[in-house]
Amino acid sequence: ETGVTQTPRHLVMGMTNKKSLKCEQHLGHNAMYWYKQSAKKPLELMFVYSLEERVENNSVPSRFSPECPNSSHLFLHLHTLQPEDSALYLCASSEDSSRSGANVLTFGAGSRLTVL
Amino acid sequence: GQNIDQPTEMTATEGAIVQINCTYQTSGFNGLFWYQQHAGEAPTFLSYNVLDGLEEKGRFSSFLSRSKGYSYLLLKELQMKDSASYLCAVKDSNYQLIWGAGTKLIIKP
Repeated sequence: ETGVTQTPRHLVMGMTNKKSLKCEQHLGHNAMYWYKQSAKKPLELMFVYSLEERVENNSVPSRFSPECPNSSHLFLHLHTLQPEDSALYLCASSEDSSRSGANVLTFGAGSRLTVL
Repeated sequence: GQNIDQPTEMTATEGAIVQINCTYQTSGFNGLFWYQQHAGEAPTFLSYNVLDGLEEKGRFSSFLSRSKGYSYLLLKELQMKDSASYLCAVKDSNYQLIWGAGTKLIIKP
């Protein structure tokens, strides 16, 4: 496989459930990101990892917990979510997390999360 | 505050030309990106502008005016497969990416 792969593509969970989203990249990139995409709203950056170290955490509620075991894999652990957390969660990677230059993001197709 | 404005939705005809505008108010500027996102798919990179002027890539062109805080994406010879959302994003002085809400482009036969 090539590119950025996210699983599951769709997830429905209750507010008391615990689930995880998985992201895998086969591009040899050193930086990985989690974004939240809600309808008709701008992308919201949640977390940034560079070489498996979290370098950015944008005031995300603790019910979202990221994990980056190696530079190819990224997880988002979900616990006691709220209905307003329903959204498309996009994973992305880039060659590095340096903010200069083009630093193009390669996105996965996303995990559509519905919280009941 | 920082803001990216782009139209919510546009409609165009197959074979025609469409221009999608993006205006921005950010603290500093370190480049502007356009991404394309088909429904249910990943956003994909289209273009990057950091200097004023027009960048052409086949049927797609992107223009930037830093003094006006303005960019547009020009799509020529529209095809049905161009129906998608187009996302504008700007890197501010801290190199943070500020995203617009996207423009949904509908192509009609």
